[in-house]
Amino acid sequence: AQSVAQPEDQVNVAEGNPLTVKCTYSVSGNPYLFWYVQYPNRGLQFLLKYITGDNLVKGSYGFEAEFNKSQTSFHLKKPSALVSDSALYFCAVRDMDNNNDMRFGAGTRLTVKP
Amino acid sequence: DSGVTQTPKHLITATGQRVTLRCSPRSGDLSVYWYQQSLDQGLQFLIQYYNGEERAKGNILERFSAQQFPDLHSELNLSSLELGDSALYFCASSAQGQGNTGELFFGEGSRLTVL
Repeated sequence: AQSVAQPEDQVNVAEGNPLTVKCTYSVSGNPYLFWYVQYPNRGLQFLLKYITGDNLVKGSYGFEAEFNKSQTSFHLKKPSALVSDSALYFCAVRDMDNNNDMRFGAGTRLTVKP
Repeated sequence: DSGVTQTPKHLITATGQRVTLRCSPRSGDLSVYWYQQSLDQGLQFLIQYYNGEERAKGNILERFSAQQFPDLHSELNLSSLELGDSALYFCASSAQGQGNTGELFFGEGSRLTVL
């Protein structure tokens, strides 16, 4: 089955600095890759996805992610962090060739300090 | 608003009891997924239904069961509850076929507290 690893439980950045939240995946078929954000006591909100095509995908709120097939990674990035970006971020993968369920990483808590 | 509705939003019950969580997917979505999020934990995939039939099963305990009805809403039944079952339970839905853009759409969750 597919799996996702988010190696950092916590990422701290200063406002205005670039941020990166790391994700690596394992899947036997073709991966669909996703990033979701969760604010306190809320459901998960979709940020962006990679299905095919350009390795750099852009999403909501100025976030982008880079798909790297050789490194099986899909890191989330933003050029300039905002305090309001502080939240829990989840990377997820779907193996669209073999099954349809989505598996999530453990999540990374991003804190942006003023 | 994702279009996925979950009820109840909050539920407090005692150990040994049974509860039912309900989910209405987005209009037209045939697939429903259930996830469990314990305190400071990631999302654990429980089970997926597609058009009334079980499609995939994850880390779902035998004390838990789910079903999807003809009108496509789904229910997650949790029985013989234990303290460790306290968690946020999320439902998500997705389109199928040509309308499937890959992402899941999540409800706001049902927070279960077992005392």
